[in-house]
Amino acid sequence: AQRVTQPEKLLSVFKGAPVELKCNYSYSGSPELFWYVQYSRQRLQLLLRHISRESIKGFTADLNKGETSFHLKKPFAQEEDSAMYYCALGNFGNEKLTFGTGTRLTIIP
Amino acid sequence: NAGVTQTPKFRILKIGQSMTLQCAQDMNHNYMYWYRQDPGMGLKLIYYSVGAGITDKGEVPNGYNVSRSTTEDFPLRLELAAPSQTSVYFCASSERGANTEAFFGQGTRLTVV
Repeated sequence: AQRVTQPEKLLSVFKGAPVELKCNYSYSGSPELFWYVQYSRQRLQLLLRHISRESIKGFTADLNKGETSFHLKKPFAQEEDSAMYYCALGNFGNEKLTFGTGTRLTIIP
Repeated sequence: NAGVTQTPKFRILKIGQSMTLQCAQDMNHNYMYWYRQDPGMGLKLIYYSVGAGITDKGEVPNGYNVSRSTTEDFPLRLELAAPSQTSVYFCASSERGANTEAFFGQGTRLTVV
């Protein structure tokens, strides 16, 4: 069975400080990892995926297969980063996209 | 391009009533999903579909039914509403399944009293 764990339900960070949202996964095959974000009063949307290796809105995430982690990082937090962040796990051939419980990030001005 | 559209946005149901949550997408995606979002519990998969005429259960299917008669539509049916079904429901679609980007609707907030 595939599982995604986000250990922090709430995270508060001062503006300008570094941000790290943790995500660990459990899956025996080759995973596809995603970060989705939900800003206030907006629909859930893709932030980034590991296969693209992009930096979106200053965020990056590296897949560490040894530690089975896909932590989301940003060096300098901005107020507009306040949102709900979900880590998600999918894989080719399995049609179920599994989400973690989410982390609500609050940036303190 | 509307993407994924859900109706209604809000609904209050009495215990035992039934209703259908509508979901439509205009991106010609084969894969569609229904999730429920409970506080502190994240998103739980209710049902999903890999194409017209094909549906399958997710993690929490009890109390719900779905159908997929067309590529565009994926309605979710609640037959006998219970307070435990109070939640925010999200419909999503993707082009090629769980390893590709999922596009979400704006959600339906359902309260069962």
